[in-house]
Amino acid sequence: DAKTTQPPSMDCAEGRAANLPCNHSTISGNEYVYWYRQIHSQGPQYIIHGLKNNETNEMASLIITEDRKSSTLILPHATLRDTAVYYCIVRGPGSGAGSYQLTFGKGTKLSVIP
Amino acid sequence: KAGVTQTPRYLIKTRGQQVTLSCSPISGHRSVSWYQQTPGQGLQFLFEYFSETQRNKGNFPGRFSGRQFSNSRSEMNVSTLELGDSALYLCASSLIGGTAYNEQFFGPGTRLTVL
Repeated sequence: DAKTTQPPSMDCAEGRAANLPCNHSTISGNEYVYWYRQIHSQGPQYIIHGLKNNETNEMASLIITEDRKSSTLILPHATLRDTAVYYCIVRGPGSGAGSYQLTFGKGTKLSVIP
Repeated sequence: KAGVTQTPRYLIKTRGQQVTLSCSPISGHRSVSWYQQTPGQGLQFLFEYFSETQRNKGNFPGRFSGRQFSNSRSEMNVSTLELGDSALYLCASSLIGGTAYNEQFFGPGTRLTVL
């Protein structure tokens, strides 16, 4: 089962910042938080990941609370092309030694409104 | 650098048939994972291959199988197709798998329809 909780949908005005929340209250100390997004009918696309520090790249920023029980993905200036389903994933161990897997939840459907 | 490619992109089969899907990872990537995506169940992990060995497996019946070749290309096979196997099958590749930070790059998927 996914270890994250996200709102099913959100709207954001074009040009404004989109703030997508994620709860992961049972996260373990060595588990990373990953964010992917999936534009309709395409494969998921990696956005960003973090462990406990805030992270920023050319796509987004990731803010992780100090207790690591929740995080927020920030798209600083949302465009229509950012309309997608956004998945927050806690990367846990897989069944094989040294193996990890991504367990996707239902994600948040972000609609960017003109 | 070319991305992950999957063939075919679309496939129509009938119940009881079997199907083989192919995935070519990004050059240099050694780990290939497969996922099934349906409207009802969302994205579900099938299995992961690394260096021609299945290293990780999700909760799918034995009708779902896969393999990886020495060039890291991977195939997955579904035997005795059922209507519920209709889905988008996604392949993802990564450099070394799960021993460290490991971004997965997804292909466009193969849309399988079972009639």
